[in-house]
Amino acid sequence: NAGVMQNPRHLVRRRGQEARLRCSPMKGHSHVYWYRQLPEEGLKFMVYLQKENIIDESGMPKERFSAEFPKEGPSILRIQQVVRGDSAAYFCASSPIPTSRGNTDTQYFGPGTRLTVL
Amino acid sequence: GESVGLHLPTLSVQEGDNSIINCAYSNSASDYFIWYKQESGKGPQFIIDIRSNMDKRQGQRVTVLLNKTVKHLSLQIAATQPGDSAVYFCAENGKDSSYKLIFGSGTRLLVRP
Repeated sequence: NAGVMQNPRHLVRRRGQEARLRCSPMKGHSHVYWYRQLPEEGLKFMVYLQKENIIDESGMPKERFSAEFPKEGPSILRIQQVVRGDSAAYFCASSPIPTSRGNTDTQYFGPGTRLTVL
Repeated sequence: GESVGLHLPTLSVQEGDNSIINCAYSNSASDYFIWYKQESGKGPQFIIDIRSNMDKRQGQRVTVLLNKTVKHLSLQIAATQPGDSAVYFCAENGKDSSYKLIFGSGTRLLVRP
């Protein structure tokens, strides 16, 4: 059973460009979460999505950031007009659907995308 | 604001010794806690979790202790090995939801050979 997959693993963008980060949850998981991590810091919650629904985006900046989890395909975190302050590691996590086995609260993380803005 | 914090930023232990990593939380309504291990350049890896109706839970070489009276969480690693070297984060689910994990700032564990 493959874990959470994220791509690209590393992404370099110049200021003003767009960054697209992709996340495929574990098989059987329909809850996706995005977190951001600055160097030497803990992870900060950004957004929680289920298929075709944004449940909670309270941790995501109101401007330039958006997220989606379409019916088909991976979840996408999109950052428009990137600035140097967006440089960070972005992690995606997933958890099982409530009716499946397993602890629905446990979140399993992908390897992350390290975004560098020049 | 509500937060999860750690007492020690770096812990150095001798290989074979036991390690104890501590975490203080301030949100008394949190009912689920997780310890994650993060190696350099990788994502957080689930180690062990515990619910607030328990005060101790054991896994393979790891034990998590929860003291709700003083809002304290600890991770004990038995017979620490070089492969245990990493940053360890505690996380809680907070009071408003079960999905918005709140992470502490992390403790770096260094294992001396």
